[in-house]
Amino acid sequence: KAGVTQTPRYLIKTRGQQVTLSCSPISGHRSVSWYQQTPGQGLQFLFEYFSETQRNKGNFPGRFSGRQFSNSRSEMNVSTLELGDSALYLCASSFRDRGHEQFFGPGTRLTVL
Amino acid sequence: GEDVEQSLFLSVREGDSSVINCTYTDSSSTYLYWYKQEPGAGLQLLTYIFSNMDMKQDQRLTVLLNKKDKHLSLRIADTQTGDSAIYFCAESGNTDKLIFGTGTRLQVFP
Repeated sequence: KAGVTQTPRYLIKTRGQQVTLSCSPISGHRSVSWYQQTPGQGLQFLFEYFSETQRNKGNFPGRFSGRQFSNSRSEMNVSTLELGDSALYLCASSFRDRGHEQFFGPGTRLTVL
Repeated sequence: GEDVEQSLFLSVREGDSSVINCTYTDSSSTYLYWYKQEPGAGLQLLTYIFSNMDMKQDQRLTVLLNKKDKHLSLRIADTQTGDSAIYFCAESGNTDKLIFGTGTRLQVFP
């Protein structure tokens, strides 16, 4: 069974640009969550989607948004990029409604110059 | 608020046991997890424990939960060089989001 896949794996953008990251969950998984990992702040929850609905959101500014499609694939978008948005963005998927086993993808490394 | 703490670094000799500790503050935590992260990689789910359990064993891994003290530990038996990585403790409370600790870097030397 294929794991969680994320594209692209690496991305370089400049300040002020916007970026879209994609996540394909494990087949059959309906819940997708996004996390940001930085050396200073560690792993922080961004948001979680289930059946195309955002069920939970972390403490990030409105520049961070996401969505989920009917096939459970998810995208997250960051607009007006700042240097501090440079991070590893991780996507996780789970099978059950309450998602107690979350499996992570390899991440997208975003560098903002 | 929710907080999860871990020691930053642990160094062990190959073949010895490693014990990585974690404390959390959310008394409503439902599940507690251990993830492993190798350089340049995502997070690998190692094991998890439901909050009504005290212990869970899975091959070389043993998880102990002291709910009264809000303390979680991961014991790795017969530690190998391939176990060198960062280990994250995480908890999920009333929501599905995971709250992660800062991570413990495990270094295994021959």
